[in-house]
Amino acid sequence: DTGVSQNPRHKITKRGQNVTFRCDPISEHNRLYWYRQTLGQGPEFLTYFQNEAQLEKSRLLSDRFSAERPKGSFSTLEIQRTEQGDSAMYLCASSLASVTLQGARTEAFFGQGTRLTVV
Amino acid sequence: AQKITQTQPGMFVQEKEAVTLDCTYDTSDQSYGLFWYKQPSSGEMIFLIYQGSYDEQNATEGRYSLNFQKARKSANLVISASQLGDSAMYFCAMRRPSGGYNKLIFGAGTRLAVHP
Repeated sequence: DTGVSQNPRHKITKRGQNVTFRCDPISEHNRLYWYRQTLGQGPEFLTYFQNEAQLEKSRLLSDRFSAERPKGSFSTLEIQRTEQGDSAMYLCASSLASVTLQGARTEAFFGQGTRLTVV
Repeated sequence: AQKITQTQPGMFVQEKEAVTLDCTYDTSDQSYGLFWYKQPSSGEMIFLIYQGSYDEQNATEGRYSLNFQKARKSANLVISASQLGDSAMYFCAMRRPSGGYNKLIFGAGTRLAVHP
């Protein structure tokens, strides 16, 4: 399978615990994105990497959230001291870098997401 | 603020009929890209079609076409000859030049149900 892979697919955790999700992008893609999707809403941007550099973070990404992409390949998203409001689907996507106006054409390919439930 | 509006929470269509899903957007940028994604119950976001702001012709991809009206800032998705497998959530999204066309801004989505 050469698509974007996310693990685990589902995670149930108790409030206050730490959780970590993994994303393996399409191998030749140098950009990797994390989005969060709550029930009944569209995905919201959290952060993105170009290679190993984290270049933008949303205000949604509180200090309890940290994302890494240590070797420019896979990425992890960690949530510390989880809260019930963190319950959501966490989506990872990857793409090639776009550098021109027409680069907006470069679509992002998404994984199937990790559904987090905080009880 | 940059925003995507999808006013139809749910739509249903008879199999083999055509359906239009509405999307309006708000941006002051001259250059931007508009996307439609399909999200089945499995959760994966599947890219369907793209329209660039400078593209003069409406985009088409198989049974999908995009009715792009730039002056009205609308980018409606038309699905022709609906199939049962088209039942899913559909999201309109926009990519802007801010930060190098990085993040996608999504609407709230439209749930499409195709009836036999």
